[in-house]
Amino acid sequence: SQQGEEDPQALSIQEGENATMNCSYKTSINNLQWYRQNSGRGLVHLILIRSNEREKHSGRLRVTLDTSKKSSSLLITASRAADTASYFCATDFSGGYNKLIFGAGTRLAVHP
Amino acid sequence: EAGVTQSPTHLIKTRGQQATLRCSPISGHTSVYWYQQALGLGLQFLLWYDEGEERNRGNFPPRFSGRQFPNYSSELNVNALELEDSALYLCASSLGSAGAREQFFGPGTRLTVL
Repeated sequence: SQQGEEDPQALSIQEGENATMNCSYKTSINNLQWYRQNSGRGLVHLILIRSNEREKHSGRLRVTLDTSKKSSSLLITASRAADTASYFCATDFSGGYNKLIFGAGTRLAVHP
Repeated sequence: EAGVTQSPTHLIKTRGQQATLRCSPISGHTSVYWYQQALGLGLQFLLWYDEGEERNRGNFPPRFSGRQFPNYSSELNVNALELEDSALYLCASSLGSAGAREQFFGPGTRLTVL
């Protein structure tokens, strides 16, 4: 399977703490994207990181990409209760197939 | 700017019937993607349309089909519905089909097959 895998499957933290989620994949990619999903509804795009980039920031989000290890991490700093959601990594594989392959996701719960 | 819209929000059908789901992309986006999110199976790629043509297809049977209209909106049709087709169907759009493409998702249509 080309599907990415997220780790951990579930994460429970207190407000103000940092949350780190990891994603591994199996083949060469064009880019890797992180999405958030609240309560089984639509996905919200968070960050896209290209295969030639190593780190990217957006507000309280920091994404790293290690193509040699075929892995990525998403760090949410100073978490808030509103960050409670499922987070998915999705890989856009080399070859121009234009389909995103999603991991199983990490369920994050941030407690006030 | 309006995001990706999908209709209907919920759809209830019985086994053997046909379902039609609709998607309107973000203005200016020419590529539309369909994904299925079923319990226990995660998010799976279904179809990709660009400029009115089917460009790529996931590992789904032929009873899953669709089309893209000249205004870039899209329909997903599921024929001969089976119980396991019950899922959240998500549509996404992107700006063109070249280079790194962020896909922006709609709120989804929840299909229940009884």
